Amino acid sequence: ETGVTQTPRHLVMGMTNKKSLKCEQHLGHNAMYWYKQSAKKPLELMFVYSLEERVENNSVPSRFSPECPNSSHLFLHLHTLQPEDSALYLCASSQDSGTLQYFGPGTRLTVT
Amino acid sequence: DAKTTQPNSMESNEEEPVHLPCNHSTISGTDYIHWYRQLPSQGPEYVIHGLTSNVNNRMASLAIAEDRKSSTLILHRATLRDAAVYYCILRDVTQGGSEKLVFGKGTKLTVNP
Repeated sequence: ETGVTQTPRHLVMGMTNKKSLKCEQHLGHNAMYWYKQSAKKPLELMFVYSLEERVENNSVPSRFSPECPNSSHLFLHLHTLQPEDSALYLCASSQDSGTLQYFGPGTRLTVT
Repeated sequence: DAKTTQPNSMESNEEEPVHLPCNHSTISGTDYIHWYRQLPSQGPEYVIHGLTSNVNNRMASLAIAEDRKSSTLILHRATLRDAAVYYCILRDVTQGGSEKLVFGKGTKLTVNP
């Protein structure tokens, strides 16, 4: 248990569906992150939120829409995804956008 | 892009020490060296970090070369539960000025019983 939970753990969705990934951290941190881990590729940083404001969007397509309603919760809204978006999506949190980050177990997403 | 170079894979036997190397020849004077690992079906977890001096914690030791262009993560007695991908990471900065981790491909460690 890292103090960061993600739901669902597995998700299969069609290209026309809309779904959301949820992340919750119980560590009192003020920064949260979304990463994507595709097969055969390193982890890629997608978004960074600090104090509930988005401070980094790493050229992510608009079909991925993050939301951070408070410092403990982070969502990733998905719509009209492509099969190449199938990957493990990882959430992390840290204090003050630092490099000591705590990761959740990830959501394994399959787009059919 | 990741600023570190690691072997793709290494093997070890259970109960033996493991030395995982990392090259970071372009490291700057203020860059900390971080190590994370990712066990199968889990997210990455922090292992250790250091700047200049060697560091020890309950999980591992970090030996940093005098010129800081390389480092070695040392697992003193490997167990089957240490089988994972180990990432050596230097601090980077986002366009927005936040610190970030840039993961490379890491070293996949196999521990044989």
